[in-house]
Parts: sequence; C-alpha cells; structure tokens
Amino acid sequence: GNSVTQMEGPVTLSEEAFLTINCTYTATGYPSLFWYVQYPGEGLQLLLKATKADDKGSNKGFEATYRKETTSFHLEKGSVQVSDSAVYFCALSVPYGQLTFGSGTQLTVLP
Amino acid sequence: DTGVSQDPRHKITKRGQNVTFRCDPISEHNRLYWYRQTLGQGPEFLTYFQNEAQLEKSRLLSDRFSAERPKGSFSTLEIQRTEQGDSAMYLCASSLDRGGHQPQHFGDGTRLSIL
Repeated sequence: GNSVTQMEGPVTLSEEAFLTINCTYTATGYPSLFWYVQYPGEGLQLLLKATKADDKGSNKGFEATYRKETTSFHLEKGSVQVSDSAVYFCALSVPYGQLTFGSGTQLTVLP
Repeated sequence: DTGVSQDPRHKITKRGQNVTFRCDPISEHNRLYWYRQTLGQGPEFLTYFQNEAQLEKSRLLSDRFSAERPKGSFSTLEIQRTEQGDSAMYLCASSLDRGGHQPQHFGDGTRLSIL
C-alpha cells in the first residue's frame, strides 16, 4: 500500500534560518507528491506539488524535488519567517486517487 | 472561486446522537473527498465521489457513517449513534477531473466533539 513517512517535530527555528523537513514515501504506480500547510484553525492549503521524477515544486520560497531513486520529497526554504509557523504535511496521490498524508511536522519560527 | 465551504465549523454533541455535516465544493469541481483528522495526525481518507457516484470507501467508514452527494453538487456526511472515538476534524476537499494529478482543495473542516 501507499505510505508517507515524515520527519517528526516539533521544529523550532530562528527567523532567517534554513529549513529542511524530510519526507519519504512508498507507493505503487507513479504517484504525484505534494506539500500542504495548515495554519491554526484552518484547513489545508496546497503549498507545492510535483507530478513526476526530478520535477521541482516551488512556492513562496519553499522548494521540494521529486527524487524517485531515494523515494523522497524533502521540503526546503532558505530563510524562514515568523509567518511560516504552521504544520506541514507531505502527501502523495496516485492518478485519480485519494491523498495519503504523513503525520505532519509542526514548525515554529521565533523572531 | 469561493473555495470549499463546510458547515458547521464546530459541532458538540452527546454520545449516541446523530450528526450531519455539509460540504459545498468549488463549483466546477466534479470530484469530492471526505477525510478525517485526529489531533497530531495527518488526514485519513474516508470516501470520495465523482459527480453523484460514490466510487470508493475506506475501511475507516463504518456502517454508522453515510455520505451522499445528490445531483453531484454539495455533499453530506452523517454519523449515526456517535461514539467518543468519532471526535475529530472532518475535512472536505474537491478537485477537477482533468487528468490524473489535479490538486485537491480543502475546506476549513468541521470539528466534532463528543461529550
């Protein structure tokens, strides 16, 4: 079956620090990979996606590269801001299928 | 694009009562999904619809749960004879059926608390 393993949190960083959140997956077929972000009291928002191997998704300074050889999709940002504090979820889907999520990583950025 | 709308945002009820949640997807989206999220965990898939047809149900969806999507527009999720373990955030998402990898757009969820 499909599964996503995500770096456990919580992660606490100072503003302008470099962020990496690790994500690895197991899937049958050819999955798409996603990062979603959830701010307190809100639903999930799509942050970025990649649909095939070696694709790089990027948005709002965040990046992740679909690495088929290591079955990974690590999230990175060069300089985090306080406003980036949220829970980040890695997820995969196979075509026309439902999302399978990791357990989430709580990020807190201190000023 | 008004986004995915869910109602109510919060529901508190006593164990054994029935509850119903509503989801209004983005208007042109023909695929609609329900997920459940417990504290500290990622969302777990419950069921999904393509237009009005319910095409897949998770084993998490016990016989106390029923979902409908009449006319392929809004959807309802009903839980009968609620139990303590039903306390969770229920999330609805929708997507456009235009190729296999369309992203899902989520509503803000309905938080269910069972007393």
